[in-house]
Amino acid sequence: QVQLVESGGGVIQPGGSLRLSCAASGFTFRSYPMDWVRQAPGKGLEWVAVVSYDGSNVYYADSVKGRFTISRDNSKNTLYLQMNSLRTEDTAIYYCARDRDNSWSNWFDPWGQGTLVTVSS
Amino acid sequence: IQLTQSPSSLSASVGDRVTITCRASQGISSYLAWYQQKPGKAPKLLIYAASTLQSGVPSRFSGSGSGTDFTLTISSLQPEDFATYYCQQVNSYPLTFGGGTKVEIK
Repeated sequence: QVQLVESGGGVIQPGGSLRLSCAASGFTFRSYPMDWVRQAPGKGLEWVAVVSYDGSNVYYADSVKGRFTISRDNSKNTLYLQMNSLRTEDTAIYYCARDRDNSWSNWFDPWGQGTLVTVSS
Repeated sequence: IQLTQSPSSLSASVGDRVTITCRASQGISSYLAWYQQKPGKAPKLLIYAASTLQSGVPSRFSGSGSGTDFTLTISSLQPEDFATYYCQQVNSYPLTFGGGTKVEIK
């Protein structure tokens, strides 16, 4: 079955860096665009970034542009989010999500279980 | 593109018909999805392209609308439907979500 498993979350001080990973299985990873979506504690959903199936195209939310980098390694079936210059407002559960189909639809299905990032001194 | 959901919360009983609205700040054609999220869980895609039911989603869920005004309807609320619902636009980047509608038990 299709599965997405995030890892790499934790507690980090403001200004620090962290890299999240999302291990994919059960589908042809290299054929699908992939996204990161976050959710601050008790708040709504915020889209973070998307990467095309081959990594050649990426888009970011304004709130993370210049600080976060989305990438993928299709040989390892893994999606990444490199987060630099972290701020307290980046505290959230970070979900990876697959496009529902491989046509750059931006409908997210499925989602991973999420990994919590806490930015605090 | 901003998405405004209403109401932000509602109380309803099992068997009720429930309608949630999502208004976009500019026209987005039918590039809208609806997600359901239960506490401690990841969101789940219910409807995409404004009115297409995702595979495996019960037929009591339906979506309608185009342009700037959209609705999600649950025809007969079931106990497992108590959750928070989000709309999402995919017309243009950055992708955005509505603020959510929490459906609670009356």
